[in-house]
Amino acid sequence: AQKITQTQPGMFVQEKEAVTLDCTYDTSDPSYGLFWYKQPSSGEMIFLIYQGSYDQQNATEGRYSLNFQKARKSANLVISASQLGDSAMYFCAMRQTGDNFNKFYFGSGTKLNVKP
Amino acid sequence: KAGVTQTPRYLIKTRGQQVTLSCSPISGHRSVSWYQQTPGQGLQFLFEYFSETQRNKGNFPGRFSGRQFSNSRSEMNVSTLELGDSALYLCASSLWGQGESGELFFGEGSRLTVL
Repeated sequence: AQKITQTQPGMFVQEKEAVTLDCTYDTSDPSYGLFWYKQPSSGEMIFLIYQGSYDQQNATEGRYSLNFQKARKSANLVISASQLGDSAMYFCAMRQTGDNFNKFYFGSGTKLNVKP
Repeated sequence: KAGVTQTPRYLIKTRGQQVTLSCSPISGHRSVSWYQQTPGQGLQFLFEYFSETQRNKGNFPGRFSGRQFSNSRSEMNVSTLELGDSALYLCASSLWGQGESGELFFGEGSRLTVL
């Protein structure tokens, strides 16, 4: 069963504007982690931001913030003041952990294009 | 601190051959995971190693295997290659299990093309 859903295959945003990338997740575990990664055309996955399931406040990292709505099981990424270099694929991921493993589930990604 | 290093970056093989990919994690990271990325299936978990032990394996056939060495370096092997094995193979290391939040740090990937 798919655990991470990203419903926006592609998005456009004007430079300097804010953009929200949607992510919903499905889990019955009380403890989990939510992550966003950026993948430029070069292929490397770059970690952006992390939100723990027990964190009371939304995570922020510079221009990135995570809008965490636990009851709705959503973890949207907000990028403020978009830059041309933000053009990339963005993946939402959820970490499932057990006694002896650490496994990430990734969404299908959103391709963001920033227009000058 | 050096990042995750994967070799080779690009390789071309033919059906039926085998391939070995290598990954050197960030110094101090003991957890190493492998993911396969394809346009159709997206990012899929292959396996995770911690201190030389495979802790979890994804839903891949037995042709996919891996190992981790005492210095945390990891290799994955794919035998009897099929056309569908063409993909970007990403290695990631993390501090999970070492008291940290455990985000994955990825290498640049090994792009495998099977002809």
